[in-house]
Amino acid sequence: DTAVSQTPKYLVTQMGNDKSIKCEQNLGHDTMYWYKQDSKKFLKIMFSYNNKELIINETVPNRFSPKSPDKAHLNLHINSLELGDSAVYFCASSHNDREYGYTFGSGTRLTVV
Amino acid sequence: QKEVEQDPGPLSVPEGAIVSLNCTYSNSAFQYFMWYRQYSRKGPELLMYTYSSGNKEDGRFTAQVDKSSKYISLFIRDSQPSDSATYLCVPKGFGNKLVFGAGTILRVKS
Repeated sequence: DTAVSQTPKYLVTQMGNDKSIKCEQNLGHDTMYWYKQDSKKFLKIMFSYNNKELIINETVPNRFSPKSPDKAHLNLHINSLELGDSAVYFCASSHNDREYGYTFGSGTRLTVV
Repeated sequence: QKEVEQDPGPLSVPEGAIVSLNCTYSNSAFQYFMWYRQYSRKGPELLMYTYSSGNKEDGRFTAQVDKSSKYISLFIRDSQPSDSATYLCVPKGFGNKLVFGAGTILRVKS
């Protein structure tokens, strides 16, 4: 029944590996986002999709690749993981790309060792 | 200069106290102002939003915006232990990018 669900909740992996985080929303929203929360707790936007179209692509290493198979799903694939990628990754959604009321998932805590 | 600045705290208050959380921002293009609340190990949730300068009240919460000084406040009356969380100041300009502050940790002790 969760509105925005992310899997997995925790991910521990070695440097150099490739991993994916999945996100699904059942709110009927058109826009989905990926945010990264670093150790200093700043939330920074990485990507935004509106109806499966990429509309925000911040300065993020191209090892990070989002994929939206439909407007209810936004996945994040990370290649060649580095220690600095360790963070909490949040997926969020909103009705449209002009709205301020985002619904966030509970986050995926990624630890690269 | 960071776009949004908040005192990280933690701010510790006794139950029932009035809490004042503050935030400054640098970009005069910001039009909307939100407060998000984030509990430990959870995603942020929208608490309040306001568009114009002035006050907006919602139950025990009051958001205050002063665009002339680029200063935003959130007041919590009769604070409860369940209010213990990180409060994020989030302005938004035109376009669809929210700018999150690092947040202020609030601890309400019973």
